Amino acid sequence: AQTVTQSQPEMSVQEAETVTLSCTYDTSESDYYLFWYKQPPSRQMILVIRQEAYKQQNATENRFSVNFQKAAKSFSLKISDSQLGDAAMYFCAYRSFIQGAQKLVFGQGTRLTINP
Amino acid sequence: DAGVIQSPRHEVTEMGQEVTLRCKPISGHDYLFWYRQTMMRGLELLIYFNNNVPIDDSGMPEDRFSAKMPNASFSTLKIQPSEPRDSAVYFCASTKGWETQYFGPGTRLLVL
Repeated sequence: AQTVTQSQPEMSVQEAETVTLSCTYDTSESDYYLFWYKQPPSRQMILVIRQEAYKQQNATENRFSVNFQKAAKSFSLKISDSQLGDAAMYFCAYRSFIQGAQKLVFGQGTRLTINP
Repeated sequence: DAGVIQSPRHEVTEMGQEVTLRCKPISGHDYLFWYRQTMMRGLELLIYFNNNVPIDDSGMPEDRFSAKMPNASFSTLKIQPSEPRDSAVYFCASTKGWETQYFGPGTRLLVL
């Protein structure tokens, strides 16, 4: 079974600085999807960024980018120019490419604090 | 477009009572998921449907939990009888095919 590990329960960063959140996963599959979701205090799960394993290029969404290292099974999230609104729990998630296995497997989350 | 809609947003009930959580997926989506979030276990999948048919219910904790999807626009998750350990945030999510899963706002359940 696939597993996702986020080794940093908490992180903090100064406003306007850059922070990187770590995620590693374990799978025997060659094709899959990886996601970062953000959960602010409202509890809503919001998609931040998505990466398809067959794509070599790292995904980027405005201030958010990933460093996808397939061989190392690593998928870190970099937030540039941190803003107060970025404060939230961040979850890394894995989804199989196998038909009928669309469920998301989540890491335990990293709580990100932004210091003004 | 409206996102995934869940009701109620908050539910407080007493142990032994029946609880029904409701979800309306995004129109046109063919997959619907129920997740549970607790401090101890994090986010875990309970069950998911494809075209209204349950595909994987291996995450349903026990027989007290049941889920239905009578049509493409409505699903329920029922707990009968409820217990304090069922207290959690329950999320519904939907997607179309291999696209991204979009989550509802969640239902915060407290069983006293």
